[in-house]
Amino acid sequence: EAGVAQSPRYKIIEKRQSVAFWCNPISGHATLYWYQQILGQGPKLLIQFQNNGVVDDSQLPKDRFSAERLKGVDSTLKIQPAKLEDSAVYLCASSLVGGSSYEQYFGPGTRLTVT
Amino acid sequence: EDQVTQSPEALRLQEGESSSLNCSYTVSGLRGLFWYRQDPGKGPEFLFTLYSAGEEKEKERLKATLTKKESFLHITAPKPEDSATYLCAPEGTGAGSYQLTFGKGTKLSVIP
Repeated sequence: EAGVAQSPRYKIIEKRQSVAFWCNPISGHATLYWYQQILGQGPKLLIQFQNNGVVDDSQLPKDRFSAERLKGVDSTLKIQPAKLEDSAVYLCASSLVGGSSYEQYFGPGTRLTVT
Repeated sequence: EDQVTQSPEALRLQEGESSSLNCSYTVSGLRGLFWYRQDPGKGPEFLFTLYSAGEEKEKERLKATLTKKESFLHITAPKPEDSATYLCAPEGTGAGSYQLTFGKGTKLSVIP
């Protein structure tokens, strides 16, 4: 079974530039998550999709971050404009459905450095 | 606000030296508690889900237990390949959705 795919793996940008990350979840997984993991911290949920609808985006900084999930499969996360404090690893995860009965499978992440 | 505290932050063990990692949590409407392992440069990898106080689960040298306020990850006779960061994540109802709140993790180093 193929895992969660993410690209790019690394990205370096200057502050105020924009950047986009892509995620392809495990086939058949209805729920998709984007997390931000700052060095030395645990992952923090940014947004959760169920199919192509948003379930929870309460921790997404909506003035600069946006995310979409087209056709309930792939997803993109965008930052515009980036700030220095956005430097982090952005993790995508998927699960069959939401809820504690189903574990989340994580991709390898995209390491973003904002200079 | 949901809170999760993991201790110690870092732990160095000799190969074969057993120990325990602690996860203390305050979560609204706990539905389950997850343990993940994270290797450098990789995403977290699922280990266990615990649902109720008194529950225990085992996998190879790892055993996870749950109380009403804490979870423990016991490592018996660890090997160098057990070196990783171990993350605890209780799942609460948060903003109305199923949401994991991750702790900062315990970085385990097992020395041969």
